[in-house]
Amino acid sequence: AQSVTQLGSHVSVSEGALVLLRCNYSSSVPPYLFWYVQYPNKGLQLLLKYTSAATLVKGINGFEAEFKKSETSFHLTKPSAHMSDAAEYFCAVSRGGSQGNLIFGKGTKLSVKP
Amino acid sequence: DTEVTQTPKHLVMGMTNKKSLKCEQHMGHRAMYWYKQKAKKPPELMFVYSYEKLSINESVPSRFSPECPNSSLLNLHLHALQPEDSALYLCASSQEVNRGSTGELFFGEGSRLTVL
Repeated sequence: AQSVTQLGSHVSVSEGALVLLRCNYSSSVPPYLFWYVQYPNKGLQLLLKYTSAATLVKGINGFEAEFKKSETSFHLTKPSAHMSDAAEYFCAVSRGGSQGNLIFGKGTKLSVKP
Repeated sequence: DTEVTQTPKHLVMGMTNKKSLKCEQHMGHRAMYWYKQKAKKPPELMFVYSYEKLSINESVPSRFSPECPNSSLLNLHLHALQPEDSALYLCASSQEVNRGSTGELFFGEGSRLTVL
């Protein structure tokens, strides 16, 4: 069965600093992996996705993630944090195939200090 | 702007009320979903409709009743809810649920439900 684990429920960085949000997955088949962002009182917006085409995936708002099969990881990074990046971030794995729904990690709240 | 539209954005109801949440998408997706999200928690799957048929019910209490009138619309009928049902209810859609699907979901902005 697929699952994801997000390390760190809360990450705080200074504006301009590197953002690193960690996600490890467990899957018995090649996974489809996603990062979603949720701003307060809003729905979830897709940041990026891994669907086996390329291991380094670039997303919106300057975020990227690298799929590392040997480490079963899909960490999200951004070179320079902006105040507007403060939000909740969810890593998710898709069951794919005949059941197209997502299994979410517990989320990481990103705070950005001025 | 999201392409999945949910109404109402906010709903307050008593435990004896009957109300409905509505969701609409015009992306031609054939799978639609209801998720429930409590504060500081990830979304939890409630129901999945595939080609307008209920394909997954995650053991949701019968006071929640989903309906998919057509491929663009998804409703969630609410009756005799409890205060602990207060949450953000998210609708989502995706391409055909088949072997080629990556499972990417497109979410609406949610309906914030408060049960008094």
